[in-house]
Amino acid sequence: EAQVTQNPRYLITVTGKKLTVTCSQNMNHEYMSWYRQDPGLGLRQIYYSMNVEVTDKGDVPEGYKVSRKEKRNFPLILESPSPNQTSLYFCASSPRQGINEQFFGPGTRLTVL
Amino acid sequence: QKEVEQDPGPLSVPEGAIVSLNCTYSNSAFQYFMWYRQYSRKGPELLMYTYSSGNKEDGRFTAQVDKSSKYISLFIRDSQPSDSATYLCAMSAGGYQKVTFGTGTKLQVIP
Repeated sequence: EAQVTQNPRYLITVTGKKLTVTCSQNMNHEYMSWYRQDPGLGLRQIYYSMNVEVTDKGDVPEGYKVSRKEKRNFPLILESPSPNQTSLYFCASSPRQGINEQFFGPGTRLTVL
Repeated sequence: QKEVEQDPGPLSVPEGAIVSLNCTYSNSAFQYFMWYRQYSRKGPELLMYTYSSGNKEDGRFTAQVDKSSKYISLFIRDSQPSDSATYLCAMSAGGYQKVTFGTGTKLQVIP
């Protein structure tokens, strides 16, 4: 089954404790992206990657890191999480030619205390 | 001013009603217009995708784009309780340009 998977689905952590949210897709898509979704603000892009080793900042990159060492994986790293990073996070992927048709993962609900 | 404006709702309609969901935008470079549907506790899924102006129909769903007014709409005919979800509009200038999302309209269809 074609899908985007994220882990963990739910995470409660404390300020300053480094964490990684993994994202994996099995559709051989080149383009991958991370979004956060907050009430009243909608989906905002954090980082995106157009291919292996090619990443770029989205609208709200502060406090986040990403890497793309393999085509299928695009982890999101919070080196020192803060309470304002409490949010619902989505990973998405799309094929090279259909960049606008993104396939979303199930989401990761993160709470930073 | 946000690039994309969308009424957050909630919008509550009886089963069988025609639903109209709308977004306005300010960036005239947008050429690709999408509607995503998001059920509670799920990721968004692409519902409709149109390029430039005009209409596109898919079953009970019709997407309209009016680039001169910078206004897009999604119509749902014969609405069903299973249509209850949040509907997100999204737009892009195309290619590798970023996709900008609206904040979403929550729709409830009452049996």
